[in-house]
Amino acid sequence: DAKTTQPPSMDCAEGRAANLPCNHSTISGNEYVYWYRQIHSQGPQYIIHGLKNNETNEMASLIITEDRKSSTLILPHATLRDTAVYYCIVRVAHYGGSQGNLIFGKGTKLSVKP
Amino acid sequence: EAGVAQSPRYKIIEKRQSVAFWCNPISGHATLYWYQQILGQGPKLLIQFQNNGVVDDSQLPKDRFSAERLKGVDSTLKIQPAKLEDSAVYLCASSPRTGTDTQYFGPGTRLTVL
Repeated sequence: DAKTTQPPSMDCAEGRAANLPCNHSTISGNEYVYWYRQIHSQGPQYIIHGLKNNETNEMASLIITEDRKSSTLILPHATLRDTAVYYCIVRVAHYGGSQGNLIFGKGTKLSVKP
Repeated sequence: EAGVAQSPRYKIIEKRQSVAFWCNPISGHATLYWYQQILGQGPKLLIQFQNNGVVDDSQLPKDRFSAERLKGVDSTLKIQPAKLEDSAVYLCASSPRTGTDTQYFGPGTRLTVL
């Protein structure tokens, strides 16, 4: 089972920041927080990941609370093309074997509206 | 760089028939994954290959599903015989190694079993 809890849906106005929350209260010290998104009729797409510190890339920012029990994905200027299902996944930092496999929940369906 | 290729994109069959899906991962990626995504749910891992060996097939219904990656490059997933509940999108993903490497997903094959 997925180890994260996300709201099933959210709306955001185009051009505004989209803040997607995720709870992972049972996260272990060796587990990363990963975010993927899935646009309609496409496969999931990697967005960003982090362990403790906040992370930023060209797509988004990831804010992880100090106790690591929750995080927020921020899309700074949402566009209509950001409409998708966003998945928050906790995943061990481990190379080799199957321990680092992705376990998807149902995610948050983000609708960006004009 | 070419992405993960999958074919066919769509397939409609009747129950008890057989079907096969093909995946060509990103060049040089050692690890290949097959996922099943039922409508409204997140993807669920069916099988993971490292080169041409199976790392994890614990969630593959082996009585009807089989998969192979004979030369450590492309892979096929077969269902025989198909059931109504097999209607889903079958996603293929690849990553350079196992563990926490980013997974890159193909567009998926949408299977409808009538």
